Amino acid sequence: EADIYQTPRYLVIGTGKKITLECSQTMGHDKMYWYQQDPGMELHLIHYSYGVNSTEKGDLSSESTVSRIRTEHFPLTLESARPSHTSQYLCASSEFTEAFFGQGTRLTVV
Amino acid sequence: AQSVAQPEDQVNVAEGNPLTVKCTYSVSGNPYLFWYVQYPNRGLQFLLKYITGDNLVKGSYGFEAEFNKSQTSFHLKKPSALVSDSALYFCAVREAGSGYSTLTFGKGTMLLVSP
Repeated sequence: EADIYQTPRYLVIGTGKKITLECSQTMGHDKMYWYQQDPGMELHLIHYSYGVNSTEKGDLSSESTVSRIRTEHFPLTLESARPSHTSQYLCASSEFTEAFFGQGTRLTVV
Repeated sequence: AQSVAQPEDQVNVAEGNPLTVKCTYSVSGNPYLFWYVQYPNRGLQFLLKYITGDNLVKGSYGFEAEFNKSQTSFHLKKPSALVSDSALYFCAVREAGSGYSTLTFGKGTMLLVSP
C-alpha cells in the first residue's frame, strides 16, 4: 500500500474562499504531481515537481498554485475558489517508474 | 509529445468470461507502460507495468497485459472476469529513461461485469 495522503477527502466551500489541498508522502519520492479529474473522469496534469523548490505547470492550465518546500509535502492552493474549480484533485508521487496516488480530494465550490 | 488512446468508453462482459481493455500509445523513445484501476470516490491503484523484458506482464488481481511494440499496444486482459472487477481502468505511458518525463493517461475505460 502506497503511503501518500491527501486531506481533506471532501470539501464544500463558498465562492471566493482561499483553500489549500494537502498532499504528503512518506516514500521519499522526488517527483510529485497534481491531477484534476473532470466529470468525464479524464485525468489532466496540472502541476508537477522534480524535487524541493521545483514546480512546473502541467498540460492543463490551472488557476491553482503549488509549492515544494519539503520533499514529502506538495500542497495545492486556490486563492479564490470558483464553481468552475469543482472537481476531483488527485496527488501522486513517483521515483523511476510507476506513480502512486492518494485517495483524492473532491472539491465542490458553491 | 506522448499520448495514449483507449478506444472504448465502456466494456461489458459477463462474469466468468475473458475480458480485454484496449490501449495504444505514442511516445518518442521507448515506453514505460502502466495500467491503473479506479473505484468510485477513490484514487488510482497501480495494477501492472511494462518496463523491459517479457512482453507479457502479470499484475494484481489476476490481470495481465501484453506489450506489442509493432502495434504500439498494451491491452489489459483477464482470463475470467469477476463482478468485483467492475471499475474504471486507465492506461498510461511515459518515456523510458527520461528522469523528466511525466505520466500521460488515456481517457479511461469503464469495465462493467454482469453476474
